[in-house]
Amino acid sequence: QQQVKQSPQSLIVQKGGISIINCAYENTAFDYFPWYQQFPGKGPALLIAIRPDVSEKKEGRFTISFNKSAKQFSLHIMDSQPGDSATYFCAASRRAGNNRKLIWGLGTSLAVNP
Amino acid sequence: DAGVIQSPRHEVTEMGQEVTLRCKPISGHNSLFWYRQTMMRGLELLIYFNNNVPIDDSGMPEDRFSAKMPNASFSTLKIQPSEPRDSAVYFCASSPQNRGLLGTDTQYFGPGTRLTVL
Repeated sequence: QQQVKQSPQSLIVQKGGISIINCAYENTAFDYFPWYQQFPGKGPALLIAIRPDVSEKKEGRFTISFNKSAKQFSLHIMDSQPGDSATYFCAASRRAGNNRKLIWGLGTSLAVNP
Repeated sequence: DAGVIQSPRHEVTEMGQEVTLRCKPISGHNSLFWYRQTMMRGLELLIYFNNNVPIDDSGMPEDRFSAKMPNASFSTLKIQPSEPRDSAVYFCASSPQNRGLLGTDTQYFGPGTRLTVL
């Protein structure tokens, strides 16, 4: 059972365009929603994260929009650049004691054409 | 800091052989995670440790897989015997001490080990 559903599976955007990746979750106990970026041959790295007490978080060209009632969150990449071409993963988690296990989406492969 | 270190980076072996993957977490981090990544199933959490103790091994696919963390600076993932369907990229990640409910719990991934079982 996929608790975090991510779409689209792949995305092609022109340089300067807006890339949008969506995720939906089921467990209302989740309280932490990170996005990770993975380049070929590398491990994923944290890009940006949000908690459900805010509806939006922006860091440079990257913005997370969060809709608690719809149980959805999305990543927007403004002014997309070829260097943004990578696989993006959304995830969700909740604290269980001193531990936190991330539940991952299946990833979106983004290609930004020059 | 050198980041999370994994070895080997590539491993090619034959079905039935034992495979051992190694991980050195970032110094001071108290949580360690082993993941498997495939095109079909994405990132799967196999097991994670907190303070060297296995907390959740529900993702370990079967008894052929085992993981140990004998000390805070070293962990191994062993597959015995290996099968072609085990071919994947295996990642190790570490995370620093949780800082209460508002802790970020960022996971820092190593470069991965690409395993091919023929």
